[in-house]
Amino acid sequence: SQKIEQNSEALNIQEGKTATLTCNYTNYSPAYLQWYRQDPGRGPVFLLLIRENEKEKRKERLKVTFDTTLKQSLFHITASQPADSATYLCALPTSGTYKYIFGTGTRLKVLA
Amino acid sequence: NAGVTQTPKFRVLKTGQSMTLLCAQDMNHEYMYWYRQDPGMGLRLIHYSVGEGTTAKGEVPDGYNVSRLKKQNFLLGLESAAPSQTSVYFCASSGVMNTEAFFGQGTRLTVV
Repeated sequence: SQKIEQNSEALNIQEGKTATLTCNYTNYSPAYLQWYRQDPGRGPVFLLLIRENEKEKRKERLKVTFDTTLKQSLFHITASQPADSATYLCALPTSGTYKYIFGTGTRLKVLA
Repeated sequence: NAGVTQTPKFRVLKTGQSMTLLCAQDMNHEYMYWYRQDPGMGLRLIHYSVGEGTTAKGEVPDGYNVSRLKKQNFLLGLESAAPSQTSVYFCASSGVMNTEAFFGQGTRLTVV
């Protein structure tokens, strides 16, 4: 079955550093992958979508890479700020359906 | 625009009681989804709909029913609530498959 794995351990980094989060998937080849941010008590909010033919996508301080050979996406936040502290989720469409599946998310804490 | 609105935000049920969660979107989206989110489990898809009058099962559909009588509304019903259904429920909608999903603010349900 199709699976997504994100590091369930929290990631603590110092303000100003680059945070790198990993999303690994198995057993299929999605046409695209999405990243969401979720704050406590709130619903996820879309950040970026990257397609299988795109190696890298950027939006302000955010950068996403998509390696279809490794079946992995990396999510980078450069010059991190305490306001970036949240849980970050990756999501993929399941093969042949209209359903998204989500990873369990990685909690990022940026220390001032 | 309000986006995706869920009603209610909080609810406590006794085992065996029934209830309906309402999701309304004002973006004219075709696709709507119901997820539950539990600690360590991430977002799991309960049911989804690809258009008015259609519904389909997700990963964890048992104990839930849904209806999509109007394009803008997606209802999630619990016929006989069980403590295992204690969770945070999120509704989401999207315009087409390969675009972002918009989430509601969530409904925190406790079954005692």
